[in-house]
Amino acid sequence: DTEVTQTPKHLVMGMTNKKSLKCEQHMGHRAMYWYKQKAKKPPELMFVYSYEKLSINESVPSRFSPECPNSSLLNLHLHALQPEDSALYLCASSQPASGRRKREQYFGPGTRLTVT
Amino acid sequence: TQLLEQSPQFLSIQEGENLTVYCNSSSVFSSLQWYRQEPGEGPVLLVTVVTGGEVKKLKRLTFQFGDARKDSSLHITAAQPGDTGLYLCAGHTGTASKLTFGTGTRLQVTL
Repeated sequence: DTEVTQTPKHLVMGMTNKKSLKCEQHMGHRAMYWYKQKAKKPPELMFVYSYEKLSINESVPSRFSPECPNSSLLNLHLHALQPEDSALYLCASSQPASGRRKREQYFGPGTRLTVT
Repeated sequence: TQLLEQSPQFLSIQEGENLTVYCNSSSVFSSLQWYRQEPGEGPVLLVTVVTGGEVKKLKRLTFQFGDARKDSSLHITAAQPGDTGLYLCAGHTGTASKLTFGTGTRLQVTL
């Protein structure tokens, strides 16, 4: 099973709203990722969790707040977003970086976020 | 900054034609993945290559990793409309978790 699930599929929110994106994987992976993807561009890394600890924050604004409650779940809390934050938000998982272990990342279907 | 440049950026071909997509960098990658992404969906992993000179085949798709592990190519034989999508190469340098994505190649296959 190489499935990563994300909810919701679509989200429309106002600039004063608070919402959360959810991601789940059952592949036993211990690294999880959030990416942001604008139209016709490659995904841009936002955060990396390794063994449930935040290991990389790509200078993401604090209006995006990640959380990893356990090894299978990853959340992205959103607050006071701007219209330019509208994008496809992708979650991925992999084995964590260690020696020659395969680090293939498997992506979820994404959440299409529109900020009005 | 490691960059992965893909060419061409956009390719429109007819069903049955062959094509090659290139992924080039000045950096050495310990592994390289190819993904296909359809509009509004997440990237789907096609293949991982790890050894310089490695060639992998997936039905009509042939993937090659350069001898120096700085470049890769994807060749599609007899393209079909179902091959339409955004093709992304992405690589790991060293043992880092971070995946560097290529600039993407948008493929359109028409009947």
